[in-house]
Amino acid sequence: GAVVSQHPSRVICKSGTSVKIECRSLDFQATTMFWYRQFPKQSLMLMATSNEGSKATYEQGVEKDKFLINHASLTLSTLTVTSAHPEDSSFYICSAREATSYNEQFFGPGTRLTVL
Amino acid sequence: AQKVTQAQTEISVVEKEDVTLDCVYETRDTTYYLFWYKQPPSGELVFLIRRNSFDEQNEISGRYSWNFQKSTSSFNFTITASQVVDSAVYFCALRGSGNTPLVFGKGTRLSVIA
Repeated sequence: GAVVSQHPSRVICKSGTSVKIECRSLDFQATTMFWYRQFPKQSLMLMATSNEGSKATYEQGVEKDKFLINHASLTLSTLTVTSAHPEDSSFYICSAREATSYNEQFFGPGTRLTVL
Repeated sequence: AQKVTQAQTEISVVEKEDVTLDCVYETRDTTYYLFWYKQPPSGELVFLIRRNSFDEQNEISGRYSWNFQKSTSSFNFTITASQVVDSAVYFCALRGSGNTPLVFGKGTRLSVIA
């Protein structure tokens, strides 16, 4: 199956700093990428959907100025958590889909963010 | 809107017991897709199965089986002869037609005790 990578896998940062998480589709072109957030013992909640070359569409309640998403190429999307605070500590998971098959949505291994 | 309900928050079974994880979904789409994922403690989602709305055939894969019933909007997952390695959180998910994202249920935490 197709592979999606995320980097870093874990990050610890101080409150007020910004953190960038990369999501790459390694062997296919991801025309659409999704970013999910998962708090401990909770489900995956969709944060935003991004199509290559377009602005991301954010779910209700997700601050677009705080969670900056860039999907500049068909293999790379980035999520930047700006001015991170402890409440942003979570598990962030990206997912990618190629244009030829809406059926398939491949998930990255996730990034665990801890904000001190 | 799509919605997935997993009423069982946590289940604990003894090894070798059979266990069924329930999933009920809601959608207005006539074409839709149902999924099950396993999330072990590492956090990485493991894809288990995808079913489209036109295929109501039940499926068996080793110790895993799935029962899809459109009449009750359910897509239940059974593990036969459970093993300790089956301990994880299991998510049922739904996607409607078109380029729409997966919507996840709240998950069921399965603990298999030796």
